[in-house]
Amino acid sequence: QAQLVESGGGVVQPGGSLRLSCAASGFNMYWVRQFPGKGLEWVAFILYDGSSRTYADSVRGRFTISRDNSRTTYFLEMNDLKTDDTAIYYCARDPNNGRWFDDWGQGTLVTVSS
Amino acid sequence: ETLMTQSPASLSVSPGERVTLSCRASQDIRTKLAWYQQKSGQAPRLLIYGASTRATDIPPRFSGSGSGTEFTLTISSLQSKDFAVYYCQQYDDWPITFGGGTKVEIK
Repeated sequence: QAQLVESGGGVVQPGGSLRLSCAASGFNMYWVRQFPGKGLEWVAFILYDGSSRTYADSVRGRFTISRDNSRTTYFLEMNDLKTDDTAIYYCARDPNNGRWFDDWGQGTLVTVSS
Repeated sequence: ETLMTQSPASLSVSPGERVTLSCRASQDIRTKLAWYQQKSGQAPRLLIYGASTRATDIPPRFSGSGSGTEFTLTISSLQSKDFAVYYCQQYDDWPITFGGGTKVEIK
């Protein structure tokens, strides 16, 4: 396991932007975040070929999930960040189109604070 | 949205004991349930999917059961490496949702 590697986290002010990256091979890919109180929340999904994307209500219109054409890197573009977006962000792999996750990255911390 | 409720929130257990963790869904999710283990500072690790199928390399002391709205994760004989937080996750409908977790601590 641990074949996924995230990067791009950091500290940003409210209203700011960040782009997270996940180095991975061509699977259905998800972003899941974990709040400081430890709760887990699904954020976004992209089909392996990029033909379908889905977002949680809490981020729709602010976050965009994408992948590069080689399908080796996935991205989460985060705009208009809010303090409530502060969390560890994980990319998570769905191996069989089953919507459960057999591999997770190590996580990247996003802190939104003034 | 399907709400997932785990109980208890925490429990203290001695090594060697049998442990049963519960997860309840607010609506019928058939067997579309996964269990994850998370140790401090690490990402979640898949244990069970399809309510009862062990993931690759997961030892047989971990077992899952249930369907519909009531699910159980059982650890037959707790080892020191099993002290962690356990989460359930439903994937029957969107949005995918997680339970709040059960922390298994050393007694």
